[in-house]
Amino acid sequence: GAVVSQHPSRVICKSGTSVKIECRSLDFQATTMFWYRQFPKQSLMLMATSNEGSKATYEQGVEKDKFLINHASLTLSTLTVTSAHPEDSSFYICSARDQESGNYNEQFFGPGTRLTVL
Amino acid sequence: GQSLEQPSEVTAVEGAIVQINCTYQTSGFYGLSWYQQHDGGAPTFLSYNALDGLEETGRFSSFLSRSDSYGYLLLQELQMKDSASYFCAVGRGSQGNLIFGKGTKLSVKP
Repeated sequence: GAVVSQHPSRVICKSGTSVKIECRSLDFQATTMFWYRQFPKQSLMLMATSNEGSKATYEQGVEKDKFLINHASLTLSTLTVTSAHPEDSSFYICSARDQESGNYNEQFFGPGTRLTVL
Repeated sequence: GQSLEQPSEVTAVEGAIVQINCTYQTSGFYGLSWYQQHDGGAPTFLSYNALDGLEETGRFSSFLSRSDSYGYLLLQELQMKDSASYFCAVGRGSQGNLIFGKGTKLSVKP
């Protein structure tokens, strides 16, 4: 099955620093990847849709200058949380679509990154 | 606006059948999906309904009625390992982006 990896799995940083999270599709090419944020015991909130070779599409209310997304290749998308603050502490999950999948809504999720900003 | 409604919690016993309902109101509709997420884990895809009717995959079935903006996930022969959160999600655009419901926490008791 399609596998998506995410790195790092956990990161603790000081307020004001930037953190980069990588999302990779290991055995398929993903022209489209998605970034979500999930608070404890809550739903997944779509932050942005990342398209290979073009600018990401951000959801309403998500600051594009704070959450920088780059999708430079068919297997890698990165999310950089710039000037992180404690309120940015959350679980960040990426997912990818496999264009070969017959299920239109099937996304393969990475294991997530737990970000804690002190 | 966009909203998906599903029960917050459901409890059932091993071997039983449980149905988790989902109603949705979205600006676009590209099918209804269900995902399972164990505590601390990543969501995993369970099913997808693009058209009205029932889709069956092993112990799990999913149903969609587009005219009623309603769907459900049916879990049969419940096992302890089925204890998890279950999310319904609506496909919103041609790129496959999903809007998730708040999730239903299923607890399976012995």
